[in-house]
Amino acid sequence: DAGITQSPRHKVTETGTPVTLRCHQTENHRYMYWYRQDPGHGLRLIHYSYGVKDTDKGEVSDGYSVSRSKTEDFLLTLESATSSQTSVYFCAIRSDRGLEQYFGPGTRLTVT
Amino acid sequence: AQKITQTQPGMFVQEKEAVTLDCTYDTSDPSYGLFWYKQPSSGEMIFLIYQGSYDQQNATEGRYSLNFQKARKSANLVISASQLGDSAMYFCAMQGRVDSSYKLIFGSGTRLLVRP
Repeated sequence: DAGITQSPRHKVTETGTPVTLRCHQTENHRYMYWYRQDPGHGLRLIHYSYGVKDTDKGEVSDGYSVSRSKTEDFLLTLESATSSQTSVYFCAIRSDRGLEQYFGPGTRLTVT
Repeated sequence: AQKITQTQPGMFVQEKEAVTLDCTYDTSDPSYGLFWYKQPSSGEMIFLIYQGSYDQQNATEGRYSLNFQKARKSANLVISASQLGDSAMYFCAMQGRVDSSYKLIFGSGTRLLVRP
């Protein structure tokens, strides 16, 4: 257990509304990641962070922004949700001992 | 560009038998890592095993082993003595070392069903 929590775990929202997903970790890991999982695509990286206020884009970053004002929290924001952003969102941290990543429980987001 | 390919969308195995899940990769990085994750029906992603590109021996973790064939660019997962609880989606992933983000590139997964 890498001490990663995500909130909310489930959310239904309407097209055009802003949505923020939170990832919280308790072990001061430097690297944090947001992935989305869609059928047939495995997981794809949205954004990642390598320290407080240090973030960068992944392969599917359009329509998403992130912020990391504290080591323990990494926020993912959909400024104006679209139906194509219906997905399961996973937060992950990179182990400080090795190179593997550990994942949070996921957030299922439905945009209607 | 890095790419992971898992060609088996679904597989069956009889309980207590061994099963091999295929994974091939493509990268131009001289140094990289290969990972396998398990995703049961409950949805969480569970790290199983890691293999570094310069590791001389194949990685093993309990009933899991990684059959790493560098020249063929394959990193197959072998599960020995399958159990009913092994029924899940399995994802192969790769991490390049040149890219300092340490991001993971995932395959599309293989769904394994263990028959009693």
